Amino acid sequence: TQLLEQSPQFLSIQEGENLTVYCNSSSVFSSLQWYRQEPGEGPVLLVTVVTGGEVKKLKRLTFQFGDARKDSSLHITAAQTGDTGLYLCAGSGGSYIPTFGRGTSLIVHP
Amino acid sequence: SQTIHQWPATLVQPVGSPLSLECTVEGTSNPNLYWYRQAAGRGLQLLFYSVGIGQISSEVPQNLSASRPQDRQFILSSKKLLLSDSGFYLCAWSRNRDRLNQPQHFGDGTRLSIL
Repeated sequence: TQLLEQSPQFLSIQEGENLTVYCNSSSVFSSLQWYRQEPGEGPVLLVTVVTGGEVKKLKRLTFQFGDARKDSSLHITAAQTGDTGLYLCAGSGGSYIPTFGRGTSLIVHP
Repeated sequence: SQTIHQWPATLVQPVGSPLSLECTVEGTSNPNLYWYRQAAGRGLQLLFYSVGIGQISSEVPQNLSASRPQDRQFILSSKKLLLSDSGFYLCAWSRNRDRLNQPQHFGDGTRLSIL
């Protein structure tokens, strides 16, 4: 069974601070997705990474896939209140069913 | 473009009553379809998934069932709801062409409260 551990579980920061969220596994994934979910809504796909060592940027968000494709990180620069939400990572290991982490709940205070 | 519709958005039901949640996808054909339940502010628990009409796989044995009567329609049902069925239910779809790298796309969810 593939498991994805996300850390930290909760993060409360001030606007303008930087932060990093981690997603780790002992299993190799073919690809990994990051989602953001706001209260009362479904998760929204932010990015998919597929190549070991890959780095993708989405405005102030930087996503990295580990060289061995077992881990990933999400770095947010100069966080804004609009970044508040639940961040989920999900790994695909060659089946129809992705493995989801339990999520990191981020609150950015003005 | 593809869209996913899930309804109702909110539902309050008494214990022992039946349930039917519906999900439809537009703009794609032969999608993989999924039902998840999510505890407050936490990760997703996969309940059912389907790779084609009439093909349902259950991940967690429980009080719920799923059906796929049409290619882009996925229904979550129960004959008699339990208090423990309360939660946030999410429907999702992914492309069926390449199982290795396909992300999922989620509906807006149904908040189910059992009284």
